[in-house]
Amino acid sequence: EVQLEESGGGSVQPGGSLRLSCAASGFTFSSYAMSWIRQAPGKGLEWVSTISGTGGSINYADSVKGRFTISRDNSRNTLYLQMSNLRADDTAMYYCAKQRAQWLSDYYEYWGQGTLVAVSS
Amino acid sequence: EIVLTQSPGTLSLSPGERATLSCRASQSVSNRNLAWYQQEPGQAPRLLIYDASSRATGIPDRFSGSGSATDFTLTISRLEPGDFAVYYCQQYGSSPGTFGPGTKVDIK
Repeated sequence: EVQLEESGGGSVQPGGSLRLSCAASGFTFSSYAMSWIRQAPGKGLEWVSTISGTGGSINYADSVKGRFTISRDNSRNTLYLQMSNLRADDTAMYYCAKQRAQWLSDYYEYWGQGTLVAVSS
Repeated sequence: EIVLTQSPGTLSLSPGERATLSCRASQSVSNRNLAWYQQEPGQAPRLLIYDASSRATGIPDRFSGSGSATDFTLTISRLEPGDFAVYYCQQYGSSPGTFGPGTKVDIK
């Protein structure tokens, strides 16, 4: 059974940093691209970033480029999102998601339950 | 970037009725690379349909997807209590993948 469990969310002041983690199990982690998708309170879904199975290919949404860094540790079956210079409009539930295969642009087969990030002074 | 528009914004129906949800793209979606997700209140989204018409694992056959190019449809043949939720479409044929704004299906 595929399981994805996010952690690391919390409250932070504008300009601050957080690192989110997503622990994966139930599949061969290194064989699949993984993504972060966020959802602001009461709003729709917004793709944030995707990383290939090897970590060699990465994409970011323009809204987070230069501030967020996605990475993965295939030995620990864990996906990360390092977020810096956080702004109020980064406030959202952050979901990690497993994609169908290795390529970057794909649908999201499985989702974690999310971790909440709140940016406020 | 491909912009997706979903209609209607809200669909008010009764259990047992048929729901028809529309997703329109600003440009043609290549290879019918379109997915549908269901999100119940307080829950993570769940994949229903991928490649426009293929049901995901464990999804009942009352959910069906159709369409191509710029016009796609999700049909729920007979609404059950757990189907009252928000539904999102997503295109992944062009990078970046984009989501529609969602259609809320609520109880009439």
